Amino acid sequence: DIQMTQSPSAMSASVGDRVTITCRASQGISNYLAWFQQKPGKVPKRLIYASSSLQSGVPSRFSGSGSGTEFTLTISSLQPEDFATYYCLQHNSYPLTFGGGTKVEIK
Amino acid sequence: EVQLVESGGGLVQPGRSLRLSCTASGFTFGDYAMSWVRQAPGKGLEWVGFIRSKAYGGTTEYAASVKGRFTISRDDSKSIAYLQMNSLKTEDTAVYYCTRDGPALRRDGYSDYWGQGTLVTVSS
Repeated sequence: DIQMTQSPSAMSASVGDRVTITCRASQGISNYLAWFQQKPGKVPKRLIYASSSLQSGVPSRFSGSGSGTEFTLTISSLQPEDFATYYCLQHNSYPLTFGGGTKVEIK
Repeated sequence: EVQLVESGGGLVQPGRSLRLSCTASGFTFGDYAMSWVRQAPGKGLEWVGFIRSKAYGGTTEYAASVKGRFTISRDDSKSIAYLQMNSLKTEDTAVYYCTRDGPALRRDGYSDYWGQGTLVTVSS
């Protein structure tokens, strides 16, 4: 199975900060990676698919990049509504696997 | 508007069975694969398995943790996906979400829409 390692597992940031979250795959997954946001008590929401394609309706401050084994999710200017937990998901091969999550908290 | 509504969750004893349903609306259900994802209390997301659309054979894939115990099926005439859970264990306690995938999995990816989830509690 492909292991997905996210870093950091938690971080504190201020409104307006540029935030970068990393996801590393234990083997190459091409660009078959998605990013999800989950707010407390809410349903996860897909932000990015195919590593860098922005889901319809998602603000352009979110961007994704990477290929192979290393991927990043960047929030260019953190907004109050962006405080949440973020997960990556690889869909290169079965079983699909999620990263452990990155909790973004208010500094 | 795409909607996914899960039902069938509840309290069940270890070793027993439970069937979850995911009723879809707002899109052509038969054109899409469907996944189940779960989240144990206070934990991260875990992919459970999925079923391809009939156009891709309607076949299934599962996580190792549920393989042989859980079965995913679909009824395209009713726009419903099912998760049959047998031999339940306490570690299966989680909120179970159904999600829409594809239709072209490589191009469109997985889990673009999610249901609200249904809680399954396995306890004696």
